[in-house]
Amino acid sequence: GAGVSQSPSNKVTEKGKDVELRCDPISGHTALYWYRQSLGQGLEFLIYFQGNSAPDKSGLPSDRFSAERTGGSVSTLTIQRTQQEDSAVYLCASSPRETNTGELFFGEGSRLTVL
Amino acid sequence: GENVEQHPSTLSVQEGDSAVIKCTYSDSASNYFPWYKQELGKRPQLIIDIRSNVGEKKDQRIAVTLNKTAKHFSLHITETQPEDSAVYFCAATRRRSNTGKLIFGQGTTLQVKP
Repeated sequence: GAGVSQSPSNKVTEKGKDVELRCDPISGHTALYWYRQSLGQGLEFLIYFQGNSAPDKSGLPSDRFSAERTGGSVSTLTIQRTQQEDSAVYLCASSPRETNTGELFFGEGSRLTVL
Repeated sequence: GENVEQHPSTLSVQEGDSAVIKCTYSDSASNYFPWYKQELGKRPQLIIDIRSNVGEKKDQRIAVTLNKTAKHFSLHITETQPEDSAVYFCAATRRRSNTGKLIFGQGTTLQVKP
């Protein structure tokens, strides 16, 4: 009965390094989303996975960002050659197969700081 | 693609007063409009939603209204309490389609003063 789990909860890295952020969705949820929340800002859509369909990558800000979802479950968001403007909280959310509520269940987020 | 604008960015009210947050969306095919509340340091959580086949929905002190013609929807909180203080996000999407991504507004920071 665990919720969406994200790791690491905090990551400090140096400019130019690559980082990987992990998301474990709620078991059985077919939809998985990544959002970015900069300090005091809104929820910026990054990428959306739905079942076996091709992911919607339209929100990825540059080709330094990529994400994959293995086996329809765990997802990894990778940021290559990090820049200071990448500093933000990266939120993952999952949602069950289309239901009446359509509710997204968010994780606690991974706070990324690029020095 | 969908674009959601949210106003105001900050809102301060006295305890007991009402608060209204407004959003507009661009995609006329959007048919599902949820509202999420994010308390300080916490994850966003769904508080209420509305589908395009209804114009209003209420749940105790909160209500949402939808005007499909004008492509805007609003959150109304009555009898505000200090625990209502949080950031509120509206969102829009086409449910039950292959393009079901949820696009959020910029958020409204609501402060309820005791």
